[in-house]
Amino acid sequence: NAGVTQTPKFRILKIGQSMTLQCTQDMNHNYMYWYRQDPGMGLKLIYYSVGAGITDKGEVPNGYNVSRSTTEDFPLRLELAAPSQTSVYFCASSRGGGQAYNQPQHFGDGTRLSIL
Amino acid sequence: QQPVQSPQAVILREGEDAVINCSSSKALYSVHWYRQKHGEAPVFLMILLKGGEQKGHEKISASFNEKKQQSSLYLTASQLSYSGTYFCGTENNDMRFGAGTRLTVKP
Repeated sequence: NAGVTQTPKFRILKIGQSMTLQCTQDMNHNYMYWYRQDPGMGLKLIYYSVGAGITDKGEVPNGYNVSRSTTEDFPLRLELAAPSQTSVYFCASSRGGGQAYNQPQHFGDGTRLSIL
Repeated sequence: QQPVQSPQAVILREGEDAVINCSSSKALYSVHWYRQKHGEAPVFLMILLKGGEQKGHEKISASFNEKKQQSSLYLTASQLSYSGTYFCGTENNDMRFGAGTRLTVKP
């Protein structure tokens, strides 16, 4: 019963470094999402995907890139890390389909990222 | 545009009731409600669709008024386990979450 799996759980980066946050789901969900959550704040949508090969920007896409080559995987790439990207990153998935708006989102446990 | 939640925080004693409100400036197809415990991922509670329907989860229920573009979450006879931050999410093509309402239930 894995659900949505995110790796790594914690990471410290230096300013200017790059890294990829991994997200994989085993529920055969079409829709996948990346959010960031700053301390004491709500979730901000970074990117989302409605299926393999299709991605779209959310509210705060600057400084990030994504790809969706398979249904299962939706990695998030940080290029040239900046202190403002210190946050908790959550990946989520939902069944999607014709009425995507009535499907619950399942979240991974998050990646806690600090950039110093 | 993000939905607006109120209140920002509420403190209850066990057994008391609370209402959390969520409103949007845009037409809504649906409203999601999630609860997040400290240091954990958000957990799905319920989805409400157009039609003013109400749904329930344990002693937590919600309503959705699509004309007013508002939803309310009702927590009755609150338990210690209800403590956490509650988020509403509104979905058109993507999902936007409110800033959250921190609920603390004390013995």
